[in-house]
Amino acid sequence: KAGVTQTPRYLIKTRGQQVTLSCSPISGHRSVSWYQQTPGQGLQFLFEYFSETQRNKGNFPGRFSGRQFSNSRSEMNVSTLELGDSALYLCASSLRQTYGYTFGSGTRLTVV
Amino acid sequence: EDQVTQSPEALRLQEGESSSLNCSYTVSGLRGLFWYRQDPGKGPEFLFTLYSAGEEKEKERLKATLTKKESFLHITAPKPEDSATYLCAVQAGDSGYSTLTFGKGTMLLVSP
Repeated sequence: KAGVTQTPRYLIKTRGQQVTLSCSPISGHRSVSWYQQTPGQGLQFLFEYFSETQRNKGNFPGRFSGRQFSNSRSEMNVSTLELGDSALYLCASSLRQTYGYTFGSGTRLTVV
Repeated sequence: EDQVTQSPEALRLQEGESSSLNCSYTVSGLRGLFWYRQDPGKGPEFLFTLYSAGEEKEKERLKATLTKKESFLHITAPKPEDSATYLCAVQAGDSGYSTLTFGKGTMLLVSP
């Protein structure tokens, strides 16, 4: 079966711009989480959605936002990009929270 | 605050040289401990979930164990294709919704 699909795979943006990343979970998975991965901080939790509702939010500024649609697809948006936002953004989906989370291949965002 | 510490940060082994990776954690109410493997430029790949102290799981050359304070990932007779970063994560909390807290990983290099 198809895995978690993230688009685009690579993105280059300029400081001050905004960006939208997309995630399609495994069919039937209703929980979608987003993580930011950097060499210095590792994987850090951004937010989690379940049935279109944000259940948890990590310690990131309000410039980071997300949403989930009725088909469980999710998007995250980062406004007013900063150089420090350069990272690999990972999406993960799960059937239930205590089951294994399946990650996508990520979107590599570079802010210049 | 949940904390996960992985050691060593990097490990270099000769093919066939068995070793163990450590993941120590401090959480309130462990619901699950997860091991992932991550190859460069890719998302983490799920390996194991452990739920309670004393639990063990095996997959090919890998065996994961769990105590009340730490988990070990034992690698028996590793091959070069086992080279990757191994990530440990915990899911904790009493609420119905909780996120994964990751360690920073152990980068494993297996030389032929």
